[in-house]
Amino acid sequence: EIVMTQSPATLSVSPGERATLSCRASQSVSSKLAWYQQKPGQAPRLLIYGASTRATGIPARFSGSGSGTEFTLTISSLQSEDFAVYSCQQYNNWYTFGQGTKLEIK
Amino acid sequence: EVQLVETGGGLIQPGGSLRLSCTASGFTVSSNYMSWVRQAPGKGLEWVSLLYSGGSTYYTDSVKGRFTISRDNSKNTLYLQMNSLRAEDTAVYFCARLNHEGDYFAYWGQGTLVTVSS
Repeated sequence: EIVMTQSPATLSVSPGERATLSCRASQSVSSKLAWYQQKPGQAPRLLIYGASTRATGIPARFSGSGSGTEFTLTISSLQSEDFAVYSCQQYNNWYTFGQGTKLEIK
Repeated sequence: EVQLVETGGGLIQPGGSLRLSCTASGFTVSSNYMSWVRQAPGKGLEWVSLLYSGGSTYYTDSVKGRFTISRDNSKNTLYLQMNSLRAEDTAVYFCARLNHEGDYFAYWGQGTLVTVSS
């Protein structure tokens, strides 16, 4: 099983600032990596697939990068609606998710 | 508009059974890869089961032999039959539609809570 590890567990950032979230795979997943946003009591929402392709309707302030075992989700200028939990998911070998990074208001 | 609505969750004793339903609208369940994903309290997401459009089924190891994924084409509904439930099956269960290649989870329902406890 491919283990996905996200860091940090919690990230405190002020609105308008940049947030950088990390995701590491225990073995290479090529670019088969997706990112999701989840707010309390809501369904996850697909943000990024293929490590760097934004899903339909996702604002340009969200960007993904990386390949192999190291991936990054960057939110360039945080809006109030962006404070949520973010999870990465690999689909190179079945499906496994990271434990999530909680992005909170500083 | 794609919509997924899960029902059927609740409180069940260990060893019991429960069937979850996921009613879809805006697309045809039988033409898509469909999955169940769960999230235990305070934990990350965990893939549970997958149903290919062709009918093949797949499960994570911890539920093999206990859970069964299926669909009713006439009702455009996905199911998860859960037997021999354990405390560690306690979670919010999400229904999800994957992309056309079956890679990532493009659409999700709101989830239904299953609590296994005596």
